[in-house]
Amino acid sequence: DTAVSQTPKYLVTQMGNDKSIKCEQNLGHDTMYWYKQDSKKFLKIMFSYNNKELIINETVPNRFSPKSPDKAHLNLHINSLELGDSAVYFCASSPRSGGNSDTQYFGPGTRLTVL
Amino acid sequence: AQSVTQLGSHVSVSEGALVLLRCNYSSSVPPYLFWYVQYPNQGLQLLLKYTSAATLVKGINGFEAEFKKSETSFHLTKPSAHMSDAAEYFCAVTGTGNQFYFGTGTSLTVIP
Repeated sequence: DTAVSQTPKYLVTQMGNDKSIKCEQNLGHDTMYWYKQDSKKFLKIMFSYNNKELIINETVPNRFSPKSPDKAHLNLHINSLELGDSAVYFCASSPRSGGNSDTQYFGPGTRLTVL
Repeated sequence: AQSVTQLGSHVSVSEGALVLLRCNYSSSVPPYLFWYVQYPNQGLQLLLKYTSAATLVKGINGFEAEFKKSETSFHLTKPSAHMSDAAEYFCAVTGTGNQFYFGTGTSLTVIP
């Protein structure tokens, strides 16, 4: 059983399009995250949700909008895609909000390529 | 504020040799520190973590790391490298709300 799953694994699209990436975790965790990994492998947090509530929102363009229908799902919608959005996007989850020693469990990533 | 610095973006070792990947942290509060490994085209997998219980932490696949407060370091070691250890390694420190601050990663190459 996959603990944190993401779909799709690969996403190729044209500039200006709108796309979504889905994430699901079956670990019963309260907190979920979205990270962006750029071409130099640098990982940066974008958003964090705890029990469907946004708790971290880093400096991310408004074109990116996370949505959490329930605590097991955190989707990422991106409007008006730009070339610079090309990256690998990782979803992650951890047991609880504020648990600084908690391990984060990562999904396999979604490689987004904007042409 | 929390941050980590990984010295050496690329490290090459011979199979069977010692692996040493460096991580120095900066934290305004007692830190929790993590090492993750990323194999090609995969997500990140936890190797080990320091949560103040013991300064020498043992992880999976024969890796270990030692927390040294005086040196603000949390270097990752493995006595004998295997070909399967070739991957990208990330050090991370947590801040508020369990926010992870990752280092820039170290790519490990194992030479047969």
